[in-house]
Amino acid sequence: EVQLVESGGDLVQPGGSLRLSCAASGFTVTSNCMGWVRQAPGMGLQWVSVLCSDGKTYSADSVEGRFSISRDDSKNTVHLQMNSLRTEDTAMYYCARVWANTAMVNPWGQGTLVTVSS
Amino acid sequence: QSALTQPASVSGSPGQSITISCTGTSSDVGSYNLVSWYQQNPGKAPKLMIYEGSKRPSGVSNRFSGSKSGNTASLTISGLQAEDEADYYCCSYAGSNTFVVFGGGTKLTVL
Repeated sequence: EVQLVESGGDLVQPGGSLRLSCAASGFTVTSNCMGWVRQAPGMGLQWVSVLCSDGKTYSADSVEGRFSISRDDSKNTVHLQMNSLRTEDTAMYYCARVWANTAMVNPWGQGTLVTVSS
Repeated sequence: QSALTQPASVSGSPGQSITISCTGTSSDVGSYNLVSWYQQNPGKAPKLMIYEGSKRPSGVSNRFSGSKSGNTASLTISGLQAEDEADYYCCSYAGSNTFVVFGGGTKLTVL
């Protein structure tokens, strides 16, 4: 079964760091692009970061220089390292597979909640 | 501000058809037939409903259809059912520098 399971969400103070993980099963994370999408409370979907099989990355302007995406091929896992967190980074973070040739996003994980608050 | 523009809300009665628009530019929707649509129910992850503009994944009802004209893509739901009430998002390929962009989302209410 193709599945993504996120972990690592937590309550963190402004300026703090957090590392999210996304474990894939049923396919390899190197086979296409993997991305993180976030959704602030009551708001829409926003791309955060994408990492493709050729190593190319894409990041939203709002997280450039603070967040970085990486993958661990041996564990078939994708990570999102989040530094210098701000209150506006509070959101549900979804991991998803992004098909490079069609730009469709499927599957999605169930999400992990990040709350940035003092 | 989202790169693709969707109406904030649409509504329809059971059995009717509704259409949700997704307006982009010649740099995304207008240049590629790579628009996808997602349904999101409260507290749930988004679900792929349409990809490559008009293709349906296995298991998605044929009441859902997609199309495109110029810089605007559309999602049409026919024979509206109560279970279709949800938020819908469009997403488009936007070139090798940006890759993909989302619309702001549309809340569908079934009256």
